[in-house]
Amino acid sequence: DAGVIQSPRHEVTEMGQEVTLRCKPISGHNSLFWYRQTMMRGLELLIYFNNNVPIDDSGMPEDRFSAKMPNASFSTLKIQPSEPRDSAVYFCASSPALGTVTDTQYFGPGTRLTVL
Amino acid sequence: GESVGLHLPTLSVQEGDNSIINCAYSNSASDYFIWYKQESGKGPQFIIDIRSNMDKRQGQRVTVLLNKTVKHLSLQIAATQPGDSAVYFCAENNTGNKLTFGGGTRVLVKP
Repeated sequence: DAGVIQSPRHEVTEMGQEVTLRCKPISGHNSLFWYRQTMMRGLELLIYFNNNVPIDDSGMPEDRFSAKMPNASFSTLKIQPSEPRDSAVYFCASSPALGTVTDTQYFGPGTRLTVL
Repeated sequence: GESVGLHLPTLSVQEGDNSIINCAYSNSASDYFIWYKQESGKGPQFIIDIRSNMDKRQGQRVTVLLNKTVKHLSLQIAATQPGDSAVYFCAENNTGNKLTFGGGTRVLVKP
């Protein structure tokens, strides 16, 4: 099993540029999560999907952030325009659970984003 | 993956000793709990989970204890090894499919 796959692993960009992070969840998993991890705020949930449908995006910082899941095997997190305070490690996780049944979330290796 | 670094509580333990990592959770309605391990440059890795209808669960070298009365969770690692050095997070579920993560504890294993 390949696990959750994220790309790129590292991204360095300049303020104002658009950034797109990609995630491939574990095959057969029904839920997908995007997290952000920083030294100051720890691990924060940004948004999650059940069966490709966004369920809760209350953690998305502001309108500059958007996430899509066009199919069961792919999701993107886009930041436009990016700002230095967006620098963080962004994790994608997937879970076999659906709806109210909670199950283990499996994390990808993360994308380290640096905005100059 | 970078976790909360400079201000993490740290547990130093001698190789071969047992480790106990504690976590206080916030919501008495939480019904599912997970412990994750995060090594430098990697994503959180599942260690063990427990549901609220249990108070103890054992895995390989790890045991999770749940005390719902005082909303306390602990992770015990037996015979701690150098490879156990990492940051450990507890997480609780109390809303749908969402997990809320604690701030983490850094474990340093001394040879």
